[in-house]
Amino acid sequence: EAQVTQNPRYLITVTGKKLTVTCSQNMNHEYMSWYRQDPGLGLRQIYYSMNVEVTDKGDVPEGYKVSRKEKRNFPLILESPSPNQTSLYFCASSTGRLAGENIQYFGAGTRLSVL
Amino acid sequence: KQEVTQIPAALSVPEGENLVLNCSFTDSAIYNLQWFRQDPGKGLTSLLLIQSSQREQTSGRLNASLDKSSGRSTLYIAASQPGDSATYLCAALNRDDKIIFGKGTRLHILP
Repeated sequence: EAQVTQNPRYLITVTGKKLTVTCSQNMNHEYMSWYRQDPGLGLRQIYYSMNVEVTDKGDVPEGYKVSRKEKRNFPLILESPSPNQTSLYFCASSTGRLAGENIQYFGAGTRLSVL
Repeated sequence: KQEVTQIPAALSVPEGENLVLNCSFTDSAIYNLQWFRQDPGKGLTSLLLIQSSQREQTSGRLNASLDKSSGRSTLYIAASQPGDSATYLCAALNRDDKIIFGKGTRLHILP
């Protein structure tokens, strides 16, 4: 079954404690991205990756890091989380615009609270 | 910078009615536009994707259109049902490979 898997689904942490949210897809997709969703602000793209070792900033990259060492994985790293990073995070993947329909598939989301 | 707007923010209609959700974008240089559905507390489910070269796509009771020259897309839902109640989001894939979402329309179908 085609899937984008995020872990953990829920996370409560404290300010400054480094954390990683993992994302994995089993569709051999080239394009992967991370979003945060906040009330009144909608979904905003944090980072995206068009292929292995290629990452680019989205609209709200400050305070986040990503890496794409393997095609299937795209972890989101918060080196020093702050309360304003409390949000609902989504990972998504697609074929990429050069290779087909480019439909985005989303993970189930990670609800992060930073105290 | 691309901006994607969805109006109205919320909509209530009686069951059985046909309805149209609107999505507008400021930069017409897009690769595609995708419509999603999101249920409360859940992830996003893709409904329809329209490539920049296409005018419309259909899936069951849903029809999405794209008019790049006017910067508009619409999602038409025929014969609405209570199960259609959800938030509907549109997203544009830009030429710089960034994806910009609208804030969504919260749809409530009244039984």
